[in-house]
Amino acid sequence: QSVLTQPPSVSGAPGQRVTISCTGSSSNIGAGYDVHWYQHLPGTAPKVLIYGNNNRPSGVPDRFSGSKSGTSASLAITGLQAEDEAEYYCQSYDNSLSGGVFGGGTKLTVL
Amino acid sequence: QVQLQESGPGLLKPSETLSLTCAVSGGSISSLNWWSWVRQPPGKGLEWIGEIHHSETTNYNPSLKSRVTISVDEPRNHFSLRLLSVTAADTAVYYCAKIPMTPGTYYMDVWGKGTTVTVSS
Repeated sequence: QSVLTQPPSVSGAPGQRVTISCTGSSSNIGAGYDVHWYQHLPGTAPKVLIYGNNNRPSGVPDRFSGSKSGTSASLAITGLQAEDEAEYYCQSYDNSLSGGVFGGGTKLTVL
Repeated sequence: QVQLQESGPGLLKPSETLSLTCAVSGGSISSLNWWSWVRQPPGKGLEWIGEIHHSETTNYNPSLKSRVTISVDEPRNHFSLRLLSVTAADTAVYYCAKIPMTPGTYYMDVWGKGTTVTVSS
């Protein structure tokens, strides 16, 4: 069982907006640590989509955005495209573990 | 641009020792970063294993700490993972990743493509 909780799957039609939630606790997100998001396609290296709650690395489209509040965070994807179909993971730091913690991953299906 | 590449045996028997290496290219392992290992068991999410700084300071996941050693080899510009007494529960894709030393935040900005390790008799 992952330390951070994500829905197992979300779906949306091309052009639509979807959000993926990530819920933590007082030892990670609730303690004020940043949340980061990764996109993962099978057989490839995970790719940073959002770091520091709401920052996009260069090359990541502005269709992707992140937010954080309390013990939760969200990733929003607007203007869904077929190429967005992937697994998405949230990640933060946990002070009881003294290391990184991840969500269980959310499979995005573009209908 | 830093790139990472994992290597090591893909098949182990129960009770054997898992040994993986992560080669760092396009940058120095002696730079101001942490170097980490993350794994993904089949059908499950990502799990942080541990990390090392070139000063050889390490942090390990408490659930694996008794069996894990991460080491760094500066002349060869690589770092390694050893996991003792493996069982089927250690079957996973193992990734190495770079953690930039950015004050106030902790994330993996560069990842390897991963290597599959299967534990089976």
